[in-house]
Amino acid sequence: KAGVTQTPRYLIKTRGQQVTLSCSPISGHRSVSWYQQTPGQGLQFLFEYFSETQRNKGNFPGRFSGRQFSNSRSEMNVSTLELGDSALYLCASSWAEGLPTNEKLFFGSGTQLSVL
Amino acid sequence: QQPVQSPQAVILREGEDAVINCSSSKALYSVHWYRQKHGEAPVFLMILLKGGEQKGHDKISASFNEKKQQSSLYLTASQLSYSGTYFCGTEPGANNLFFGTGTRLTVIP
Repeated sequence: KAGVTQTPRYLIKTRGQQVTLSCSPISGHRSVSWYQQTPGQGLQFLFEYFSETQRNKGNFPGRFSGRQFSNSRSEMNVSTLELGDSALYLCASSWAEGLPTNEKLFFGSGTQLSVL
Repeated sequence: QQPVQSPQAVILREGEDAVINCSSSKALYSVHWYRQKHGEAPVFLMILLKGGEQKGHDKISASFNEKKQQSSLYLTASQLSYSGTYFCGTEPGANNLFFGTGTRLTVIP
């Protein structure tokens, strides 16, 4: 069974550009969450999607957006990149449907974004 | 809403024990624990639900005190393979899991 796949693995962008990251969840999983990981800040929650609907959003500016497609694949977009957006972006999928989330997350290997 | 973990880092010799603490300012549905090795994705360890239960497998166990909104991860007789960064994830509401800043554990021979 294939794991969570994130592409690309590495990205280098310059300030002001925009970027789109992709995440393919484990087959059958309909919940996809996105996290930003930086040294010292741990894993910061960005948003969570289930069946193409954003159910929750973390405390990030509107430059960070996402979407989920009918096949559960998800993309996140960051517009007008800033130096501080340099981070590892992790996507995780799970079976989680209802409340509470008693399902474990399966993480992808992440996309390392560097903003110059 | 990010939980607070302590300590931030710990160094152990093989065979020693360690405790990692996680606390939240909000009431919790559950607490999750994950371990991330350098350059790898975080990997699930366990979930603890409301009810103050304690879970464990092998020599790694955890407890959850929902009244105090705290959880602790216990690593006994540590092995080199335990090295990594441990994250607790707390769930104050539906479908949003907030992780702490992590505890870097290093086990040396």
